Amino acid sequence: KNEVEQSPQNLTAQEEEFITINCSYSVGISALHWLQQHPGGGIVSLFMLSSGKKKHGRLIATINIQEKHSSLHITASHPRDSAVYICAVRWGGGTDKLIFGTGTRLQVFP
Amino acid sequence: DTEVTQTPKHLVMGMTNKKSLKCEQHMGHRAMYWYKQKAKKPPELMFVYSYEKLSINESVPSRFSPECPNSSLLNLHLHALQPEDSALYLCASSQIPMIRELFFGEGSRLTVL
Repeated sequence: KNEVEQSPQNLTAQEEEFITINCSYSVGISALHWLQQHPGGGIVSLFMLSSGKKKHGRLIATINIQEKHSSLHITASHPRDSAVYICAVRWGGGTDKLIFGTGTRLQVFP
Repeated sequence: DTEVTQTPKHLVMGMTNKKSLKCEQHMGHRAMYWYKQKAKKPPELMFVYSYEKLSINESVPSRFSPECPNSSLLNLHLHALQPEDSALYLCASSQIPMIRELFFGEGSRLTVL
């Protein structure tokens, strides 16, 4: 069993749909990152969370430390949101090491 | 400047060649990372440098040799690679000791013939 599980693995949506991507983890963490990777490779850091909720534009990320679960929401989705979304957790032991989820491939159609 | 710059973007090399990948950032970050990513897989950590010293080596074969000549530069020297080493190599950096967000480069796509 992976230490970081994401669901769904693949997601298709129509433009303007509300999208939720989930991340569950089994280790104690000090922080959780949501990352976006477009075709071609470059990775962009969307959020880093250690508690609560963060919002940036149409993106919202939440984390529940007790339940070891985080969600990434996209409101009013757009085709340019099509990308792979990756959840990564930083171990609570203070290491620099991230454990990555397997990613969620999102396609938004007009 | 919030960029991590990686060069070259693409590299094709034979199994007997010696080449290097370069990574540069000017954000004052003192942690720098090399990741390897195969198609449709998440990145895998290879090396971490903290304060210009190697802090994590994820049992990477010696044909990959990292180097951090100063706080802005990170190199990955490649020698005698195998075709299965073909992948996207990503560099990242972050502030330490209070780690905030990670900044990634666009990656170097390596093909080993």
